[in-house]
Amino acid sequence: NAGVTQTPKFQVLKTGQSMTLQCAQDMNHEYMSWYRQDPGMGLRLIHYSVGAGITDQGEVPNGYNVSRSTTEDFPLRLLSAAPSQTSVYFCASSYDSYGYTFGSGTRLTVV
Amino acid sequence: AQSVAQPEDQVNVAEGNPLTVKCTYSVSGNPYLFWYVQYPNRGLQFLLKYITGDNLVKGSYGFEAEFNKSQTSFHLKKPSALVSDSALYFCAVRETTRSGNTGKLIFGQGTTLQVKP
Repeated sequence: NAGVTQTPKFQVLKTGQSMTLQCAQDMNHEYMSWYRQDPGMGLRLIHYSVGAGITDQGEVPNGYNVSRSTTEDFPLRLLSAAPSQTSVYFCASSYDSYGYTFGSGTRLTVV
Repeated sequence: AQSVAQPEDQVNVAEGNPLTVKCTYSVSGNPYLFWYVQYPNRGLQFLLKYITGDNLVKGSYGFEAEFNKSQTSFHLKKPSALVSDSALYFCAVRETTRSGNTGKLIFGQGTTLQVKP
């Protein structure tokens, strides 16, 4: 039981490049979310999903896309990276949304 | 809009002293409240939650939290702080709308707890 696995752990992108942050969970959780963490801003919700095939926008969705084709995977796509997207990204999952399990994070730098 | 506020950016306490990390909330309906801890370069770890029932909730690592409906607060407490408790603490509330549970967790800005020997 690996929990929530995020890859990569670190990434440097050039402005305008695209990439996908991977998130996988093996707990059969229906609820999954992506957050970004910036100093002094706490965690802000980017996108979330309440089950396979269902996604919705959070607080800061611009510049990011998600899809949920399976229960296990919830990838986050950066369409055209910008320096403002430099952040630490966390994926989280929950069985019933009463308690979320977080991944260890992806530290992204856009130059 | 539903929200959570953590009024203190940092809390400093001496080892062995009691600690309190403050959290206030604004929600419609019954609140579902959570505390998470983040150690350096790590993801968030669940500490405790309030769903219903007793106002004093006990969680991991000796932490507890007191739910106060009249003051809309959910302060995190520990009777005797340890240096190893030094970390970033987040309060969160689960969003609920007229349609029910959205599954979204809304976080406060976080409070850095520094416990000095």
